[in-house]
Order: sequence, then C-alpha cells, then structure tokens
Amino acid sequence: KAGVTQTPRYLIKTRGQQVTLSCSPISGHRSVSWYQQTPGQGLQFLFEYFSETQRNKGNFPGRFSGRQFSNSRSEMNVSTLELGDSALYLCASSLVGTGTGYTFGSGTRLTVV
Amino acid sequence: DAKTTQPPSMDCAEGRAANLPCNHSTISGNEYVYWYRQIHSQGPQYIIHGLKNNETNEMASLIITEDRKSSTLILPHATLRDTAVYYCIVSLASGGSQGNLIFGKGTKLSVKP
Repeated sequence: KAGVTQTPRYLIKTRGQQVTLSCSPISGHRSVSWYQQTPGQGLQFLFEYFSETQRNKGNFPGRFSGRQFSNSRSEMNVSTLELGDSALYLCASSLVGTGTGYTFGSGTRLTVV
Repeated sequence: DAKTTQPPSMDCAEGRAANLPCNHSTISGNEYVYWYRQIHSQGPQYIIHGLKNNETNEMASLIITEDRKSSTLILPHATLRDTAVYYCIVSLASGGSQGNLIFGKGTKLSVKP
C-alpha cells in the first residue's frame, strides 16, 4: 500500500514569504503529526492532528500552523519565513487504536534564502 | 527534553548481532518504549515497541528490564543496510495515539564489513 506522501520534496523560499506543505497519510490512518529536523536541534515535534482536531502542539512560534481535512490529509503553513526555518519537515501518520508506530514520509526539504 | 539516554555511536561487524542500549530511568508505568531508526536523508522508520514484556518482530527484538529502567534493541544479524541513527523514545499511548514523540540524539550505528 502507498506510504505517507509529502509534497513538495524540495522547496526554496525567500525570507518573509510563507509556505504550505502537504501530507497525505496512509489510507485509514487518522492521526497525523509533523516534525522539524535540523542539524542543530534534531527532530522536534510541531503538532499532531486527529479527526481534524489538533491534539498536541510543540514549542514553536505561532508562525507555524497546521490543519487536517476530513480525508485526513494535512497541511502545515509557515508564515513570515526566517533563515532558521530551513529544515527537513517530516509528516507521520498512525493507525489509532493499535498502538503501532508512526509511519513517516520522506519529508519536504525547505531552504529559506 | 528526551527522557532517554543512549550512547552516541556504536560499531558492529556485518553478520553479528547489534545490541543497542537505552536508559529510561524516569519512565512511568503507562509509558511505552519505542525504537525508530533513520537512514541518512530519509524519514524515521518504526522498528518495534513494548511496555514491559520482551517483544520480537521481523526486524528486531526488544528486551526491557524488569524494573523498566532500561532496554536493549537487538538486531540479530546486522547488515550494511542497518547503518543508521537509532532512536529510543518513551511515550504515552493515550487514546491509541502516541502523542508527541520526543527524539533525543540517538545512537549512530555503523555496520562494518
């Protein structure tokens, strides 16, 4: 079956712009989480959605936001981009109720110039 | 902060068992131990998880001490493709969701021919 699909794979944006990243979870998975990975900070949790509701949120500024649609697809948005937002953004989905692990996508590599 | 402590790096000969330790002395009774690995430039991959009993699947075995303060991930016959960063994570599984995963720095396992 298809895995977690993230689009686009690579993105270059200018400081001050905004960006929207997309994530399609595995069919049937209703829990979607987003992570940011940088060389300095490692993997950091951004937020988690389940049934269109945000269940958990990490320690990121309000410029980072997300949403989940009724088909479980999710988007995250970063406004007023800063150089420090350059990172690999990873989406992960899970089949709730089974206690199984998250399946991660390959990520979107965002470069802010 | 991550609730786990792992050695920063380990080497293993190809074909031998790789035993990756993890300390989680502050784990609470309802927290699970999860293991993920990340091969360079890919998203993390779920390996295995457990609560208090030892677990085995097609990828690895997880040995959790009786007091649950530490665990060991065992890759029985390591191959070059097992070279990756391995993350040990403790997490609640409330409502079937794992909530947020707090990644530490992990152990970089290098499998050598």
